[in-house]
Amino acid sequence: QVQLQESDPGLVKPSETLSLTCTVSGGSMRSYYWSWIRQPPGKGLEWIGYITYSGTTEYIPSLMSRATISIDTSKNQFSLRLISVTAADAAVYYCARGVFGAYCDSWGQGTLVTVSS
Amino acid sequence: QSALTQPPSASGSPGQSVAISCTGTSSDVGGYNYVSWYQQHPGKAPKLMIYEVTKRPSGVPDRFSASKSGNTASLTVSGLQAEDEADYYCSSFAGTNKFAVFGGGTKLTVL
Repeated sequence: QVQLQESDPGLVKPSETLSLTCTVSGGSMRSYYWSWIRQPPGKGLEWIGYITYSGTTEYIPSLMSRATISIDTSKNQFSLRLISVTAADAAVYYCARGVFGAYCDSWGQGTLVTVSS
Repeated sequence: QSALTQPPSASGSPGQSVAISCTGTSSDVGGYNYVSWYQQHPGKAPKLMIYEVTKRPSGVPDRFSASKSGNTASLTVSGLQAEDEADYYCSSFAGTNKFAVFGGGTKLTVL
Protein backbone atom coordinates (compact mmCIF):
# COMPACT_ATOMS: atom_id res chain seq x y z
CA GLN A 1 0.00 0.00 0.00
CA VAL A 2 1.42 3.34 -1.03
CA GLN A 3 2.43 5.76 1.72
CA LEU A 4 3.26 9.43 1.46
CA GLN A 5 5.21 11.54 3.93
CA GLU A 6 5.68 15.29 3.82
CA SER A 7 8.78 17.05 5.11
CA ASP A 8 8.32 19.52 7.94
CA PRO A 9 9.28 23.10 7.11
CA GLY A 10 7.65 24.47 10.26
CA LEU A 11 7.95 28.25 10.36
CA VAL A 12 8.47 30.33 7.22
CA LYS A 13 9.02 34.09 7.27
CA PRO A 14 6.85 36.39 5.15
CA SER A 15 8.26 37.04 1.66
CA GLU A 16 10.49 33.95 1.91
CA THR A 17 10.20 30.64 0.09
CA LEU A 18 8.31 27.59 1.31
CA SER A 19 9.87 24.29 0.31
CA LEU A 20 8.19 20.93 0.91
CA THR A 21 9.13 17.44 -0.16
CA CYS A 22 6.94 14.37 -0.26
CA THR A 23 8.48 10.90 -0.11
CA VAL A 24 6.49 8.10 -1.71
CA SER A 25 6.93 4.51 -0.60
CA GLY A 26 5.22 1.21 -1.30
CA GLY A 27 4.20 1.92 -4.87
CA SER A 28 5.24 3.12 -8.28
CA MET A 29 5.14 6.78 -9.20
CA ARG A 30 4.13 5.98 -12.76
CA SER A 31 0.61 6.68 -14.02
CA TYR A 32 -0.38 9.03 -11.21
CA TYR A 33 -0.66 12.75 -10.72
CA TRP A 34 1.44 13.67 -7.68
CA SER A 35 -0.37 16.50 -5.99
CA TRP A 36 -0.13 19.19 -3.38
CA ILE A 37 -3.29 20.24 -1.58
CA ARG A 38 -3.56 22.72 1.25
CA GLN A 39 -6.05 23.51 3.97
CA PRO A 40 -5.94 26.79 5.90
CA PRO A 41 -6.84 26.42 9.57
CA GLY A 42 -10.55 25.83 9.95
CA LYS A 43 -11.16 26.06 6.21
CA GLY A 44 -11.63 23.82 3.21
CA LEU A 45 -9.31 22.09 0.81
CA GLU A 46 -7.52 23.68 -2.14
CA TRP A 47 -5.71 21.68 -4.83
CA ILE A 48 -2.51 23.61 -5.52
CA GLY A 49 -1.31 21.57 -8.46
CA TYR A 50 0.24 18.33 -9.60
CA ILE A 51 3.10 16.78 -11.49
CA THR A 52 3.11 13.59 -13.51
CA TYR A 53 5.86 10.99 -13.68
CA SER A 54 7.03 12.53 -16.95
CA GLY A 55 7.20 15.99 -15.41
CA THR A 56 4.04 17.60 -16.75
CA THR A 57 2.70 20.15 -14.29
CA GLU A 58 -0.56 22.00 -13.72
CA TYR A 59 -1.26 24.69 -11.13
CA ILE A 60 -4.26 26.49 -9.76
CA PRO A 61 -4.38 29.88 -11.57
CA SER A 62 -4.09 31.92 -8.39
CA LEU A 63 -0.76 30.28 -7.51
CA MET A 64 0.68 29.74 -10.97
CA SER A 65 3.11 32.63 -10.67
CA ARG A 66 4.48 31.54 -7.28
CA ALA A 67 4.34 27.74 -7.18
CA THR A 68 6.69 25.19 -8.70
CA ILE A 69 6.27 21.44 -8.38
CA SER A 70 9.15 19.15 -9.30
CA ILE A 71 9.74 15.41 -9.22
CA ASP A 72 12.75 13.18 -8.58
CA THR A 73 11.74 9.69 -9.62
CA SER A 74 15.11 8.23 -8.59
CA LYS A 75 14.34 9.16 -5.00
CA ASN A 76 10.57 8.57 -5.19
CA GLN A 77 10.02 12.18 -4.20
CA PHE A 78 8.20 15.23 -5.44
CA SER A 79 8.43 18.75 -4.12
CA LEU A 80 6.59 22.04 -3.84
CA ARG A 81 8.29 25.42 -3.87
CA LEU A 82 6.18 28.47 -3.12
CA ILE A 83 7.88 31.84 -3.31
CA SER A 84 7.00 35.14 -1.64
CA VAL A 85 4.78 33.60 1.02
CA THR A 86 2.32 35.65 3.02
CA ALA A 87 0.08 34.94 5.96
CA ALA A 88 -2.52 33.73 3.48
CA ASP A 89 -0.27 30.77 2.68
CA ALA A 90 -0.41 29.44 6.24
CA ALA A 91 -2.08 26.05 6.08
CA VAL A 92 -1.72 22.33 6.49
CA TYR A 93 -0.09 21.13 3.29
CA TYR A 94 -0.86 17.63 2.09
CA CYS A 95 0.85 15.64 -0.59
CA ALA A 96 -1.38 13.13 -2.31
CA ARG A 97 -1.58 10.64 -5.13
CA GLY A 98 -3.93 11.93 -7.76
CA VAL A 99 -5.83 9.94 -10.35
CA PHE A 100 -6.07 11.89 -13.61
CA GLY A 101 -6.27 15.08 -11.59
CA ALA A 102 -9.81 14.05 -10.67
CA TYR A 103 -9.41 12.73 -7.13
CA CYS A 104 -6.74 11.68 -4.66
CA ASP A 105 -6.76 8.13 -3.38
CA SER A 106 -3.82 8.32 -0.97
CA TRP A 107 -2.73 11.20 1.22
CA GLY A 108 0.17 12.10 3.44
CA GLN A 109 -0.52 12.98 7.04
CA GLY A 110 -0.09 16.68 6.32
CA THR A 111 2.36 19.25 7.60
CA LEU A 112 1.45 22.56 9.22
CA VAL A 113 3.12 25.59 7.71
CA THR A 114 3.15 28.73 9.80
CA VAL A 115 4.04 32.08 8.23
CA SER A 116 5.42 34.51 10.73
CA SER A 117 8.39 36.80 11.27
CA GLN B 1 -15.71 31.02 -1.65
CA SER B 2 -15.56 27.33 -2.58
CA ALA B 3 -16.31 26.23 -6.09
CA LEU B 4 -18.88 23.66 -4.96
CA THR B 5 -21.65 24.37 -2.46
CA GLN B 6 -22.28 22.12 0.52
CA PRO B 7 -24.43 22.68 3.60
CA PRO B 8 -22.19 23.62 6.53
CA SER B 9 -23.71 21.04 8.81
CA ALA B 10 -25.79 17.88 8.91
CA SER B 11 -26.81 15.58 11.71
CA GLY B 12 -28.54 12.34 12.52
CA SER B 13 -29.00 9.85 15.29
CA PRO B 14 -27.23 6.50 15.39
CA GLY B 15 -28.81 4.09 12.97
CA GLN B 16 -30.45 6.80 10.89
CA SER B 17 -29.53 7.91 7.39
CA VAL B 18 -28.32 11.34 6.42
CA ALA B 19 -27.69 12.87 3.00
CA ILE B 20 -25.23 15.63 2.18
CA SER B 21 -25.63 17.61 -1.02
CA CYS B 22 -22.98 19.15 -3.26
CA THR B 23 -24.02 21.65 -5.90
CA GLY B 24 -21.85 22.76 -8.74
CA THR B 25 -22.31 23.73 -12.35
CA SER B 26 -22.28 22.15 -15.78
CA SER B 27 -18.53 22.89 -15.86
CA ASP B 28 -17.79 20.56 -12.98
CA VAL B 29 -20.36 18.31 -11.27
CA GLY B 30 -22.76 18.29 -14.19
CA GLY B 31 -20.10 17.93 -16.84
CA TYR B 32 -18.04 15.00 -15.61
CA ASN B 33 -18.57 11.70 -13.83
CA TYR B 34 -15.65 12.46 -11.55
CA VAL B 35 -17.37 13.46 -8.33
CA SER B 36 -15.61 12.26 -5.21
CA TRP B 37 -16.23 12.49 -1.48
CA TYR B 38 -13.70 12.68 1.35
CA GLN B 39 -14.08 12.10 5.07
CA GLN B 40 -11.85 14.07 7.41
CA HIS B 41 -11.62 13.55 11.14
CA PRO B 42 -10.13 16.36 13.25
CA GLY B 43 -6.39 16.62 12.84
CA LYS B 44 -6.31 13.89 10.22
CA ALA B 45 -5.80 13.79 6.48
CA PRO B 46 -8.82 13.45 4.22
CA LYS B 47 -9.81 9.91 3.29
CA LEU B 48 -11.34 9.05 -0.06
CA MET B 49 -14.79 7.55 0.49
CA ILE B 50 -16.37 7.77 -2.96
CA TYR B 51 -14.89 8.28 -6.42
CA GLU B 52 -16.31 8.54 -9.92
CA VAL B 53 -19.71 9.50 -8.49
CA THR B 54 -20.69 6.11 -7.00
CA LYS B 55 -17.63 3.90 -6.51
CA ARG B 56 -16.26 2.97 -3.10
CA PRO B 57 -12.58 2.25 -2.54
CA SER B 58 -11.73 -1.03 -0.93
CA GLY B 59 -12.39 -0.93 2.80
CA VAL B 60 -15.07 1.76 2.75
CA PRO B 61 -18.29 0.40 4.29
CA ASP B 62 -21.27 0.03 2.00
CA ARG B 63 -23.17 2.28 4.40
CA PHE B 64 -21.65 5.06 2.29
CA SER B 65 -23.32 5.59 -1.05
CA ALA B 66 -23.53 8.45 -3.50
CA SER B 67 -25.31 9.67 -6.59
CA LYS B 68 -25.52 12.58 -8.98
CA SER B 69 -28.34 14.33 -10.78
CA GLY B 70 -27.55 17.22 -13.05
CA ASN B 71 -25.30 19.68 -11.27
CA THR B 72 -25.91 18.23 -7.79
CA ALA B 73 -24.24 15.26 -6.18
CA SER B 74 -25.22 13.61 -2.91
CA LEU B 75 -23.53 11.45 -0.32
CA THR B 76 -25.74 9.26 1.85
CA VAL B 77 -24.55 7.68 5.06
CA SER B 78 -26.87 4.93 6.23
CA GLY B 79 -26.94 3.27 9.63
CA LEU B 80 -25.08 6.19 11.21
CA GLN B 81 -22.36 5.26 13.64
CA ALA B 82 -20.44 7.41 16.09
CA GLU B 83 -17.26 7.11 14.04
CA ASP B 84 -19.00 8.68 11.05
CA GLU B 85 -18.88 12.03 12.83
CA ALA B 86 -16.44 14.05 10.71
CA ASP B 87 -16.16 16.69 8.03
CA TYR B 88 -17.13 15.59 4.54
CA TYR B 89 -15.87 17.29 1.41
CA CYS B 90 -17.15 16.81 -2.09
CA SER B 91 -14.94 17.33 -5.09
CA SER B 92 -15.41 17.34 -8.83
CA PHE B 93 -13.12 17.40 -11.80
CA ALA B 94 -13.40 20.75 -13.54
CA GLY B 95 -11.81 20.46 -16.95
CA THR B 96 -10.81 24.09 -17.29
CA ASN B 97 -8.32 23.82 -14.45
CA LYS B 98 -7.40 20.25 -15.39
CA PHE B 99 -7.90 19.14 -11.82
CA ALA B 100 -10.62 18.97 -9.23
CA VAL B 101 -12.30 21.64 -7.18
CA PHE B 102 -13.71 21.17 -3.70
CA GLY B 103 -16.79 22.03 -1.73
CA GLY B 104 -16.56 23.96 1.50
CA GLY B 105 -17.21 20.91 3.62
CA THR B 106 -20.08 19.63 5.75
CA LYS B 107 -19.69 18.84 9.42
CA LEU B 108 -21.64 15.68 10.15
CA THR B 109 -22.71 15.29 13.76
CA VAL B 110 -23.98 12.00 15.14
CA LEU B 111 -26.42 12.97 17.87
